[in-house]
Amino acid sequence: GQSLEQPSEVTAVEGAIVQINCTYQTSGFYGLSWYQQHDGGAPTFLSYNALDGLEETGRFSSFLSRSDSYGYLLLQELQMKDSASYFCAVRDYRGQGGKLIFGQGTELSVKP
Amino acid sequence: NAGVTQTPKFQVLKTGQSMTLQCAQDMNHNSMYWYRQDPGMGLRLIYYSASEGTTDKGEVPNGYNVSRLNKREFSLRLESAAPSQTSVYFCASSSVPSGEQFFGPGTRLTVL
Repeated sequence: GQSLEQPSEVTAVEGAIVQINCTYQTSGFYGLSWYQQHDGGAPTFLSYNALDGLEETGRFSSFLSRSDSYGYLLLQELQMKDSASYFCAVRDYRGQGGKLIFGQGTELSVKP
Repeated sequence: NAGVTQTPKFQVLKTGQSMTLQCAQDMNHNSMYWYRQDPGMGLRLIYYSASEGTTDKGEVPNGYNVSRLNKREFSLRLESAAPSQTSVYFCASSSVPSGEQFFGPGTRLTVL
């Protein structure tokens, strides 16, 4: 089967750093994506790791270790507006027919 | 440049009724996708179209049909709606094979 595991909830305070982990077990793997979704809104793309290592985009960083089937999203200098759900997603095929398999999401609450 | 648009935004159906959800993108993307999202859950792929003229089943295709009308438009049809199909439906598109997909605002469907 195919499965992605991520914590269901994380709470942190404004200005802090938080890490959201994702472990995966899928039949194919060509990359790990992260999406943010605010209540009632559409998911928006944050980052994509096809290779091992750290990718940094402003306050957000994403890490991948393919040998460990593991990745994480790191959010720094947390702001209240970062309160949202965060989803990891595995791309299962390199070619045009590839699709994303989503985890069930981590609800991040940022407290003052 | 509207991105990905979906109609309608909200819909209430009675059990057994049929309807078609419309999706269009103006980004010249090759691939399009239909997902459903239930409360507190991740996104589950219903059907996708890797390129114009092709469609494939995703994780939860039962009870649905799709049509890739042209490169811009990808519709999802419920032939005989059931209460289990109450959900939020998102359409998405992507260009080159990658982990980045662009999502529409969603259709909130209730089946009574």
